[in-house]
This record gives sequence, C-alpha cells and structure tokens, in this order.
Amino acid sequence: TQLLEQSPQFLSIQEGENLTVYCNSSSVFSSLQWYRQEPGEGPVLLVTVVTGGEVKKLKRLTFQFGDARKDSSLHITAAQPGDTGLYLCAGDNNQGGKLIFGQGTELSVKP
Amino acid sequence: GAVVSQHPSWVICKSGTSVKIECRSLDFQATTMFWYRQFPKQSLMLMATSNEGSKATYEQGVEKDKFLINHASLTLSTLTVTSAHPEDSSFYICSAKGLAGVPDTQYFGPGTRLTVL
Repeated sequence: TQLLEQSPQFLSIQEGENLTVYCNSSSVFSSLQWYRQEPGEGPVLLVTVVTGGEVKKLKRLTFQFGDARKDSSLHITAAQPGDTGLYLCAGDNNQGGKLIFGQGTELSVKP
Repeated sequence: GAVVSQHPSWVICKSGTSVKIECRSLDFQATTMFWYRQFPKQSLMLMATSNEGSKATYEQGVEKDKFLINHASLTLSTLTVTSAHPEDSSFYICSAKGLAGVPDTQYFGPGTRLTVL
C-alpha cells in the first residue's frame, strides 16, 4: 500500500511566523498536488508540481517537489490568520488517476 | 474554470432511508469522477472511482450495494447511500477530472454533510 506521510499533523503558530509542512513517500509520483480546505467546504487546489526539483511560488507560499519525485514541502512565510485551515498533499501514482492523500496538517495562525 | 458543484450541501435523514447526492462539473467534461468520505479533522478517504458510462470501481472495504454510484453523463455523477444508518453520517466530497484546468488534476466539489438520525 502506498503511503504519503504528512507532517506535522497539527501546527499552532503566531501571526508572522514561518512554517514548513512536509510530505514524504517511498514511492515515486508523476505529480503532487497541494490543497487547502476550510471547515465544511471541499479542498481547493493550491498548486500542482510535476517535475523533480520544481519550485513554485504562490504569494507567501513556496512549494517544492523533491528531485526524485517522492517528497514535497510547503513553506509559508509570515503566516497570517487567513492561512488557517487544513492543508493536504496528494500524489498521483498513475493508477487510473487516483490520488494518494497525506494525513493533512491542521494549521492555526493566531493573531 | 474547472468548477464542481454538489447537491445538496447538507441533508438530514432518518435511519433506513436512502439519500442521493449529485456531483456536477459545471464548465468542463469530467471523464472521471471520484467519491470521498471525510471524518472531522481527518484526511479524505477514497470510496470509489467512476468513469462515464461504466461501472464504478470501489476501494477495498467499501460496500458497493450500500453506496451506489452512477456516472450517466460527462457532467454528472450520483452517489446514493442506501438504507442509511447513523454510522454513515459523514462529509461526502466528489472530485472530477477531465479536459479542464491543469492536466490530470482533480477539482473538488464543496462537499455534502450527511447526518443520519
């Protein structure tokens, strides 16, 4: 069974701090996606990374795909209360388009 | 682009009744749709994958006779929870993948909160 280990599962920080969320696997993924989900809503796609070593930036969010396409990270600079939510990584392993989801990271940014 | 809707957004039903949830891709054709279940503070659990015009493929441990999935068109899939019981109460989310947005990306609906009394 393929697994995508996401850490940390819970993170509570003060506004202005930086943070990094990690997703690691022993499997290679053709692509990896990061989503953000708020309570009672569906996940919203933040980014898709497909190339080993790729780095993508979305305002204060920086996403990196490992060279071997087995791991990824999400770094948030100067976190704001509006960043609060559940962050999910999901890898596509070319099995009919199914995604392997990490356990999620519940982020709380306090003002 | 790449908008997915779900209806209803929430439903309360009595134990033993059946509930149908619709998932629609509004501005693109979805060749594949996925149904997930999510418990509070947890990640998404894939229930089944459905391709238009063919039978759904269920994940291990998911009862196909209890969770009926129909993908009748390229823009609509339905999940029917038959003879619902309180343990079926959960947040059900669909996603769609097709010729829209970033290739091979799943776009998620807003979810349906099911409460079985």
